Amino acid sequence: NAGVMQNPRHLVRRRGQEARLRCSPMKGHSHVYWYRQLPEEGLKFMVYLQKENIIDESGMPKERFSAEFPKEGPSILRIQQVVRGDSAAYFCASSPGVGRSNQPQHFGDGTRLSIL
Amino acid sequence: GENVEQHPSTLSVQEGDSAVIKCTYSDSASNYFPWYKQELGKRPQLIIDIRSNVGEKKDQRIAVTLNKTAKHFSLHITETQPEDSAVYFCAATPMKTSYDKVIFGPGTSLSVIP
Repeated sequence: NAGVMQNPRHLVRRRGQEARLRCSPMKGHSHVYWYRQLPEEGLKFMVYLQKENIIDESGMPKERFSAEFPKEGPSILRIQQVVRGDSAAYFCASSPGVGRSNQPQHFGDGTRLSIL
Repeated sequence: GENVEQHPSTLSVQEGDSAVIKCTYSDSASNYFPWYKQELGKRPQLIIDIRSNVGEKKDQRIAVTLNKTAKHFSLHITETQPEDSAVYFCAATPMKTSYDKVIFGPGTSLSVIP
C-alpha cells in the first residue's frame, strides 16, 4: 500500500523559471494538502484540495502560486517566475476525506526546491 | 481562527529521562489533536493522536494528555532514547471545519543526549 508519493525529490530552478511539484495521495484518499517548510521552521499550510476543487487556499501567496487536483492524475503545485525566497521544502499530505471527520494526514517525503 | 502554541522550542534530556512538550490551542471547539515527529531531512510522521472525548492515550513510551477546560494538551515520552531526537509538532483541528485541515504548532526540537 504505497504512501503519499511526491516528485521530484529535489528540484533546481533559476530565477524566473517555473517549478511544478507533483503529489499522488495514498490509495483511497481524496483530500490533499500542501505545506511549505523553511529550514529549521514549522509547517506552513498553503492549500487544501479535493478532486477538481480548491477547498481552502488561505495560505497561498496571492501571486505566482497555484494548485490543482484534476480528476485524473496527481495534484500539482505550480510556482511561476520563481525567486530565491521560494527555496524551501514543499510537503504534500493526504487524508481519506470520507466517513468520520478529523482523520490524520499522512505526509510524503517532500520536494526540496532550490532557486539559483 | 485557530492558533496553536507550543513550548519549549528546544529541549535537551539525558537518555533514559522523560520529555514533556506542551501545546495550547485557542478554538474551544477543536476536537482532534495529532502529534507528528520529523527527523532531520525526513517527512513528518504521525506518532499519536487524541480526540476530545478522551483525556489520555498511551502507546508504549509515548502518551498524550488533553485538558479541554484549559485548552492544552501535552506529549510525554518516557525512557527517552537517542532515536527520539527529532522535531515534534502538535496540531489541532477546529471543529468548524468539515474536513481534516490541521493547524500546526511551531515545533519542539528534542535532543536526547546519550
